[in-house]
Amino acid sequence: AQSVTQLGSHVSVSEGALVLLRCNYSSSVPPYLFWYVQYPNQGLQLLLKYTSAATLVKGINGFEAEFKKSETSFHLTKPSAHMSDAAEYFCAVSLAGTYKYIFGTGTRLKVLA
Amino acid sequence: DAGVIQSPRHEVTEMGQEVTLRCKPISGHDYLFWYRQTMMRGLELLIYFNNNVPIDDSGMPEDRFSAKMPNASFSTLKIQPSEPRDSAVYFCASSLAGVDTEAFFGQGTRLTVV
Repeated sequence: AQSVTQLGSHVSVSEGALVLLRCNYSSSVPPYLFWYVQYPNQGLQLLLKYTSAATLVKGINGFEAEFKKSETSFHLTKPSAHMSDAAEYFCAVSLAGTYKYIFGTGTRLKVLA
Repeated sequence: DAGVIQSPRHEVTEMGQEVTLRCKPISGHDYLFWYRQTMMRGLELLIYFNNNVPIDDSGMPEDRFSAKMPNASFSTLKIQPSEPRDSAVYFCASSLAGVDTEAFFGQGTRLTVV
């Protein structure tokens, strides 16, 4: 069965510091992977997605993620955190051949001034 | 397009009452999903439709839950009777065909059952 694991339910970084949010997936076939962001009292918004084209994927708001098959990882990074990045971030995988999106448990990012 | 529209945004109801949540997907989208978000269980897929037909309802927790999609522009999720443990944020999402396409989410309905 396909699944995603997000390490760290809460991450704190200083403004201007590197953001690294971890996501590992489990899949028997090449997966489609997504990162979503959820701001308070809002729905989820797509940050970026991996669909087997380029392994380094650039998204909105300066975020990017690298697909590493050997490590079964799809970590999300941003070189310099901004206060507005404070939100909850979800990694998701879509099951091959279906439209079922399986979400990780989320990582809440806090940005310290 | 205005995006996925859900109503109401907030619902407070008493245990045992019927609750109906509504969703208008993005025009032209082929797939519609209902998710439930709780602190304990995170985001759970309840059911999804393709061209108004339910494809997978394995995530629906109990027979008290039912979902319909009478046409391409409207879906409902009904809970009857409601229980306090149904309190959660319910999200509707829609997407185009293609397994690599993203789902677009509504702002959710926060349901509180007292």
